[in-house]
Amino acid sequence: NAGVTQTPKFQVLKTGQSMTLQCAQDMNHEYMSWYRQDPGMGLRLIHYSVGAGITDQGEVPNGYNVSRSTTEDFPLRLLSAAPSQTSVYFCASGTALANVLTFGAGSRLTVL
Amino acid sequence: AQKITQTQPGMFVQEKEAVTLDCTYDTSDQSYGLFWYKQPSSGEMIFLIYQGSYDEQNATEGRYSLNFQKARKSANLVISASQLGDSAMYFCAMREPDSNYQLIWGAGTKLIIKP
Repeated sequence: NAGVTQTPKFQVLKTGQSMTLQCAQDMNHEYMSWYRQDPGMGLRLIHYSVGAGITDQGEVPNGYNVSRSTTEDFPLRLLSAAPSQTSVYFCASGTALANVLTFGAGSRLTVL
Repeated sequence: AQKITQTQPGMFVQEKEAVTLDCTYDTSDQSYGLFWYKQPSSGEMIFLIYQGSYDEQNATEGRYSLNFQKARKSANLVISASQLGDSAMYFCAMREPDSNYQLIWGAGTKLIIKP
C-alpha cells in the first residue's frame, strides 16, 4: 500500500518555466489537496478537490492550476514559475468522514 | 488575525522528561477539530492526535495526549517520557465546519530532545 506518492522529490526551475508536480493516492480517498510549506510559517493550502471533476481554490492559489480527472491523481501545475514559488510542496488526501490527512513525502522546488 | 498560534518557536527538553507544546486557536464556530502533526527532519508529515470540539474526554494516543481547554481555546500537546526520536517540528492545525476539509496550520514548534 503506497499511500500518497509525490514526484519529483526535488526540482530546480528557471523563472518562467512550467512544470507539473504529480500526486497519486491508492486509498480511494475523495479529498485531495496541495499545500506549500515555507520557513517560519504553517502549511498553506493552494488547491483542493473533494472528488473527481471538482476542484477549488485554497488560501494561496495564484500561479497554480490543478485538475482531478480521476480519484487517484491530483497534479499541480506551475504555468510560469516565479522565485516566490520556491517552497516545499505537500500533497495530502483523506476520506470525507475521517479527520486524518495522509501526506506525501513532499517535493522541494527551487525557482532561480 | 492568526487562527492558530504556537508561541514556542523552539524547545529543548531532557530525554525522559514530559513536554508540553502550546497551541491556541481562534474560532467562532462551536464544531471544529484540532490536530497535531509531527514533521521529523526527513520531512514527512505524521498525524499524531485529533480532538473534536464536542469530545468530552481529552484525546490520547500512546505517549501523546491533548490537553483540551475549550473555554481558553487551548489545545496543548503533551508528550510523556520524551525520547530522542521525538525531536522534530510539531504543528497544530484546526478544521472548521463548512471548510471543505481545509486545515489551518500554526507555524510550528521545533522540539529538540537532549540525551
